[in-house]
Amino acid sequence: DAGVTQSPTHLIKTRGQQVTLRCSPKSGHDTVSWYQQALGQGPQFIFQYYEEEERQRGNFPDRFSGHQFPNYSSELNVNALLLGDSALYLCASSLGRKGTQYFGPGTRLTVL
Amino acid sequence: QQQVKQSPQSLIVQKGGISIINCAYENTAFDYFPWYQQFPGKGPALLIAIRPDVSEKKEGRFTISFNKSAKQFSLHIMDSQPGDSATYFCAARAGAGSYQLTFGKGTKLSVIP
Repeated sequence: DAGVTQSPTHLIKTRGQQVTLRCSPKSGHDTVSWYQQALGQGPQFIFQYYEEEERQRGNFPDRFSGHQFPNYSSELNVNALLLGDSALYLCASSLGRKGTQYFGPGTRLTVL
Repeated sequence: QQQVKQSPQSLIVQKGGISIINCAYENTAFDYFPWYQQFPGKGPALLIAIRPDVSEKKEGRFTISFNKSAKQFSLHIMDSQPGDSATYFCAARAGAGSYQLTFGKGTKLSVIP
């Protein structure tokens, strides 16, 4: 039973560029949540997708957007990258919006 | 009001000892309190979780104690082992339409032989 998978593992971008991160949920899960984890900090909620729609959003600017596909996989897009966007981006999947969230290994984004 | 405060920031325990990590919250709408364990370069892994209708939950060497009136909860790791060395995060989730997890800042646990 495959767990949550994320790609790529690492990514280096320059300021102003755009980036797309991908997440495949755990088998049987239909809900994907994205979190940003800065170095030495706890994860911070970005948004949650269910039934291909953004259902809840944290305190992040519109530069952060996402998408969920019919197979429940999801993408996180970040436009106009800033140095402060450097972080570990975590995807968590659950069965239903209220289900237990299981995290993937994350994508380490470095913005130069 | 969404904040979860976690202490200590770091903890060093001898092998076989008890590790204790504490968290406090303000939002009384929180109804689910999980603990996650994170190793370097990995995503957080769910360790154990509790709801406020019980005061204690035990799974193996891990125990959550919950004090609803004080709005505090803690993780106890009995017989701590070097393999337990990791960063531990407490989290909280509000029910009623808000399903995001709000995390503490983490506690880096080092278990020395």
